[in-house]
Amino acid sequence: EPEVTQTPSHQVTQMGQEVILRCVPISNHLYFYWYRQILGQKVEFLVSFYNNEISEKSEIFDDQFSVERPDGSNFTLKIRSTKLEDSAMYFCASIGMNYEQYFGPGTRLTVT
Amino acid sequence: AQTVTQSQPEMSVQEAETVTLSCTYDTSESDYYLFWYKQPPSRQMILVIRQEAYKQQNATENRFSVNFQKAAKSFSLKISDSQLGDAAMYFCAYRRPNDYKLSFGAGTTVTVRA
Repeated sequence: EPEVTQTPSHQVTQMGQEVILRCVPISNHLYFYWYRQILGQKVEFLVSFYNNEISEKSEIFDDQFSVERPDGSNFTLKIRSTKLEDSAMYFCASIGMNYEQYFGPGTRLTVT
Repeated sequence: AQTVTQSQPEMSVQEAETVTLSCTYDTSESDYYLFWYKQPPSRQMILVIRQEAYKQQNATENRFSVNFQKAAKSFSLKISDSQLGDAAMYFCAYRRPNDYKLSFGAGTTVTVRA
């Protein structure tokens, strides 16, 4: 069964550094999402992406964040200058014709 | 923004017994979708069950079933014949029909006692 994959599984970075989190959605899916889950808290929507542009973003998704689909398969989330409070689990999800969200396994980001 | 409330931070159940997780939500929409996701220690988000608001029949997936009370805006999950592998965090989620992003509750941690 096709699945969403994410790399790396765990990223440790220093405050102020840039990080890029990578996702490979299911190949025929058209809608893509990033969610964030701070440890012990609920999963929060960050951004949705459709037709090569952002369709919606939350108030969390400020100028430090960006997304792109550089090559038609990868879907990346970049954080330009990480803060301690960016430490969280980041989930990528994609949606297919049945409108179900398929989640990747997540990337655990630790900012020190 | 839609609010999803899970009032039980933790629930414990004996193996083979039944446990019910509560979820309420706030919406002015008449049509929407509700979901329960399971998050085991691996932290992967796994869809357990979904319910369309226009369907009166409660969804069932093997040992998992829901009690959907539209007027009360309640969507509880019943896990029957609990197994050790059911131990996880369970999230209730909501989405509107034309907006695919999910709004999640705070989650309920389920512990299964052998």
